[in-house]
Amino acid sequence: DAGVTQSPTHLIKTRGQQVTLRCSPISGHKSVSWYQQVLGQGPQFIFQYYEKEERGRGNFPDRFSARQFPNYSSELNVNALLLGDSALYLCASSISGGSSYNEQFFGPGTRLTVL
Amino acid sequence: AQSVTQLDSQVPVFEEAPVELRCNYSSSVSVYLFWYVQYPNQGLQLLLKYLSGSTLVKGINGFEAEFNKSQTSFHLRKPSVHISDTAEYFCAVSEANQGGKLIFGQGTELSVKP
Repeated sequence: DAGVTQSPTHLIKTRGQQVTLRCSPISGHKSVSWYQQVLGQGPQFIFQYYEKEERGRGNFPDRFSARQFPNYSSELNVNALLLGDSALYLCASSISGGSSYNEQFFGPGTRLTVL
Repeated sequence: AQSVTQLDSQVPVFEEAPVELRCNYSSSVSVYLFWYVQYPNQGLQLLLKYLSGSTLVKGINGFEAEFNKSQTSFHLRKPSVHISDTAEYFCAVSEANQGGKLIFGQGTELSVKP
């Protein structure tokens, strides 16, 4: 079975540009969460989506937005990129979105570099 | 506020030696606890989790962890490490009724030397 997939693998953008990152969850999983991992730090929670609705949001500015599609895949959008947005963006999927104990399965991440 | 502290940023150890990676958390409500491993240029893989019941939890690759509620700790241990255990290890918590939000520690880099 395929795991969580993310695209693209790597991305280079310049300040002020906009970027869209994509995630496909494990088949049967209905919840997708996004995390930002800055070099040398642990992942920080950005969003959780379940059944196409936002279920949680971390402490990130409004430049960050996301959505989930009917097939449960998800996109993370970041507008007006700053140098500090350079990070590994991780997507995780789980069977449901309402239980804190459900295991989250992580994708390999998208490495975003902002110049 | 909920937070996770990993007490060691780097842990060097020789092959076949035992290792302990320390994790403390703070929360005012019930929590679920997780340890993840991240190999270079890869995503996170779940090693083990504590949800309820026995405080000693066994995971994959010979790792185990013990939940200590009074000390709010969840230390990870392995009795004999291998070169292949070299990786970054993250402790994470989620609060009951908070859905899928994981709070991660800063990570501990385990370096196993021959």
